[in-house]
Formats: sequence, structure tokens, C-alpha cells
Amino acid sequence: EPEVTQTPSHQVTQMGQEVILRCVPISNHLYFYWYRQILGQKVEFLVSFYNNEISEKSEIFDDQFSVERPDGSNFTLKIRSTKLEDSAMYFCASSAEGGGTEAFFGQGTRLTVV
Amino acid sequence: GENVEQHPSTLSVQEGDSAVIKCTYSDSASNYFPWYKQELGKRPQLIIDIRSNVGEKKDQRIAVTLNKTAKHFSLHITETQPEDSAVYFCAAIRYNFNKFYFGSGTKLNVKP
Repeated sequence: EPEVTQTPSHQVTQMGQEVILRCVPISNHLYFYWYRQILGQKVEFLVSFYNNEISEKSEIFDDQFSVERPDGSNFTLKIRSTKLEDSAMYFCASSAEGGGTEAFFGQGTRLTVV
Repeated sequence: GENVEQHPSTLSVQEGDSAVIKCTYSDSASNYFPWYKQELGKRPQLIIDIRSNVGEKKDQRIAVTLNKTAKHFSLHITETQPEDSAVYFCAAIRYNFNKFYFGSGTKLNVKP
């Protein structure tokens, strides 16, 4: 069964450093998402991406965040200057269609900012 | 934007009993309501979903009901088993809006 895969599974970074989280969505999917989950809290939407551009973003997704689809398979989330409060599990997801269809989640990248 | 409230935050049941988790939403234009199960340290996985054109959907021991008028939907798990222990998240989505609004999660503990 096709899966969304994310790398790395765990990343530790110094405060102020840049990190790039990588995702390979399911190959025939067209919509891509990043979510984050602070330990013990709900899954929060960050951004959705379709047709090589951001379609929606939340108030969390400020100027320090960016997304990119550098080639036909990868989808990345860059955090420019990490803060302690960026520590969370980051999930990538993809769906074949937008809105009302199932989103398939990756296994997550645990980001720890020290 | 949409606001999804989920209750209870924790739920403990005896194996074999039923469990019910409830969610309310605020945007009457939301029309897709999935439920995700997240086991400890793992990814959220879809267990059942319902669209606004139906009131109930069942899949073996799991069912979801939707009341559009009251803007609430519920997950029902019957004959619970220890492997049902996980965190369950509801979500509400508006068609063609690429943004899932998740509830705060319910930690279900099924005691053997």
C-alpha cells in the first residue's frame, strides 16, 4: 500500500538554525499538507499546497516557514530560524483531491529545538 | 474559520463496553467529517468518515453519526478491545478548502 514517507524521523537543532523537513507524498496525489502536533496537543494545520503554490495557510505559518516542491516527488518544509516553541512533531500529508477526501499522513518528523 | 470542539478529552471503558466521542463544529458549510486514530508515537490514520449528505455510516464495530442541524457528529465504538486504545481525532472540512480542522483529541483507554 502506498505511503507518505518523511525524513528524518527525528531532528535536533540549535535555536536559530534553519531546518528542512522532507516528505515524499503518495505519487498520484495532487494536494500536500504540513501539520504540526506539539506534545500532547491536537494536530494543527500549517499549510496546504496545490499546483505548485500555497493554497491555504494558518496563522502559525509565518515568514519563518516556507514550503517547496523542488522536484516531482519531494515536498519540503523549511523553518528559517528555529525557536524553542517550534519543537513538535511535524506531519506531512497528501490527498488525491482537495477538501473532502482522505488525507494520508506520514509517520512524522520529531523536531527538537535546544 | 471553522472551530471543532471534541469531548471528552479522556475516556476509560471496560473491554466489551461501548465508547462514544462527540464533536461539534461551527461552519455550516463543512461537509466532510473524518475520524483519525493515532496510536502512541504513530501517524494519524483514517478509521471512518462521513459526508454531509448522510446521517450515519457504519463499518463493523465503528459507526459515525452526523446531525447537520445541530452541527455535531459522533464516533461510536462497540465491543471495545484493548487495541482500540489510542487518541482519536475528529475533523471537519469544507469542500474545496484544503484545510482540516481537527478537534483536540480523545484519549481512549480500554481496560482488559
